[in-house]
Amino acid sequence: GENVEQHPSTLSVQEGDSAVIKCTYSDSASNYFPWYKQELGKGPQLIIDIRSNVGEKKDQRIAVTLNKTAKHFSLHITETQPEDSAVYFCAASKEETSYDKVIFGPGTSLSVIP
Amino acid sequence: DAGVIQSPRHEVTEMGQEVTLRCKPISGHDYLFWYRQTMMRGLELLIYFNNNVPIDDSGMPEDRFSAKMPNASFSTLKIQPSEPRDSAVYFCASSLYPLHGYTFGSGTRLTVV
Repeated sequence: GENVEQHPSTLSVQEGDSAVIKCTYSDSASNYFPWYKQELGKGPQLIIDIRSNVGEKKDQRIAVTLNKTAKHFSLHITETQPEDSAVYFCAASKEETSYDKVIFGPGTSLSVIP
Repeated sequence: DAGVIQSPRHEVTEMGQEVTLRCKPISGHDYLFWYRQTMMRGLELLIYFNNNVPIDDSGMPEDRFSAKMPNASFSTLKIQPSEPRDSAVYFCASSLYPLHGYTFGSGTRLTVV
């Protein structure tokens, strides 16, 4: 089955700097890659997703890139702010049937230092 | 919409007791998921439903765990009997499609002593 790895497990950046989180997946058939942000005491929240027919997607200060050949994808946050501090999860799945599951990575704890 | 609603937010129970966690999905979402989150194992999918029917329960750890969805607006996850290793945060999530973005509830933090 699918296996998703995520690096780094913890990341500290100065406010205003960029943060990059990288994920790899094992199943070459995977074609849907969402990213979730989990703040303390809350459930994960979808912040951006990308499908395999797209190499990059941006939404304001966040962007995701996908390299299907290498089977890795990344989350980029620019101009980081203290409110970006949270745990970020990448995930992967394939849309072959209605019953495929989204597999989550282990998470990256991001701290933005004011 | 109020989002996915879970209750209770916190539950402390003694080992051996029955625990019932509740979830109200977003109206119109046909898929409902139950996840367990721990430091050691991260986010684990326990079971999910499509149109109130259980589709995949391969993540349910033991027969002590059971889940039901009697109608489109309500689901329960029951643990009987509970054990200390069941202590975790349990999330319910719903979605329009199986691989669309999920909306998670705020979770139930379960502590079994």
